Amino acid sequence: DAGVIQSPRHEVTEMGQEVTLRCKPISGHNSLFWYRQTMMRGLELLIYFNNNVPIDDSGMPEDRFSAKMPNASFSTLKIQPSEPRDSAVYFCASSNERGGTDTQYFGPGTRLTVL
Amino acid sequence: KQEVTQIPAALSVPEGENLVLNCSFTDSAIYNLQWFRQDPGKGLTSLLLIQSSQREQTSGRLNASLDKSSGRSTLYIAASQPGDSATYLCAVNNAGNMLTFGGGTRLMVKP
Repeated sequence: DAGVIQSPRHEVTEMGQEVTLRCKPISGHNSLFWYRQTMMRGLELLIYFNNNVPIDDSGMPEDRFSAKMPNASFSTLKIQPSEPRDSAVYFCASSNERGGTDTQYFGPGTRLTVL
Repeated sequence: KQEVTQIPAALSVPEGENLVLNCSFTDSAIYNLQWFRQDPGKGLTSLLLIQSSQREQTSGRLNASLDKSSGRSTLYIAASQPGDSATYLCAVNNAGNMLTFGGGTRLMVKP
């Protein structure tokens, strides 16, 4: 398996622009997670999907952030409008959850820079 | 709210040393605990997962222990090598399969 695939790997944009990050989870996995990593706050969970349904989005920082999972093989995280404080590395992870016992597999991340 | 702390934040050792990385958490009602490795500019790689009912897990030169009642886990690395240099992250799964991460320990193993 190719593992979790994220695109783009790097994104540089200007404040106010819309940014869309993409993730393809490992085939057969039923759970998908979006995380954000910054030097100041470390790794934080943004949102968690199970069987394509958002289960917990309490980590989404504000209404400018939205995430969708239209099918089992694709998810997007959108920021509109983007701000410089959104600059971070965004990771997608997937797992085959069985009662909270399974390992999460991480993608390589998207490094976002908002100027 | 679960809080996860890792000590030390950074560690530098000569090659061949055995070393211990520490992780502590405030809420002991956990499902499992995972140790990850992160290389610079890369994603996370899972090293070991310990279920709440287990006390330790081993993989090669790595051994992770879990003491749920005291809210502690340790990652033991035997005979360290320069290739072990990376950031090691501890993550706790409390409920709903959502992980809370520690700040990580940045390890440098010198040849």
